[in-house]
Amino acid sequence: SAVISQKPSRDICQRGTSLTIQCQVDSQVTMMFWYRQQPGQSLTLIATANQGSEATYESGFVIDKFPISRPNLTFSTLTVSNMSPEDSSIYLCSVSRGGTGEQYFGPGTRLTVT
Amino acid sequence: GEDVEQSLFLSVREGDSSVINCTYTDSSSTYLYWYKQEPGAGLQLLTYIFSNMDMKQDQRLTVLLNKKDKHLSLRIADTQTGDSAIYFCAADNFNKFYFGSGTKLNVKP
Repeated sequence: SAVISQKPSRDICQRGTSLTIQCQVDSQVTMMFWYRQQPGQSLTLIATANQGSEATYESGFVIDKFPISRPNLTFSTLTVSNMSPEDSSIYLCSVSRGGTGEQYFGPGTRLTVT
Repeated sequence: GEDVEQSLFLSVREGDSSVINCTYTDSSSTYLYWYKQEPGAGLQLLTYIFSNMDMKQDQRLTVLLNKKDKHLSLRIADTQTGDSAIYFCAADNFNKFYFGSGTKLNVKP
């Protein structure tokens, strides 16, 4: 398994501002992922972040809105830019570990935009 | 992409068995997973099954896979109140995970 921490655990932000979420893993991993879970909904993949390359974004998500950094094999950040109330969600990072490709998730960051 | 579907709710009595069902669309998925999410918490990996298997048992959990019908189920034996949570199935597709909508399991004492 993997031990994953996220900061902050929750935040309330004003419309038009930006928030950077940090994800730290207890050991080196190649692939890290960022997901969004809107209230009462399932998880939607935002992007895949590999160290040393640009993040790969899923349809409907763009780098200008969700810039991602992956400076090393244990850390990544996701920024939610120019926030609107529609961005209120739980944001989760995950890592892929093991030959079976299972993903382990952080505790999530609960974001409320007012 | 891939579509993964689950029923939204399941209610059982404590001590009974729970069966949560999931269907997926892409037969090239190599592994299928079950995750548990308790209120206010992240996702906990419960178990997974390789697509070449049709059954996997792990203590109270039994996973059944019908690859022909692209149907996956999770059976929880002797369901306890602590099993109350949302259960997500997920299918992998070239390192991307596609999640179902989640099944909220309510266990009545």
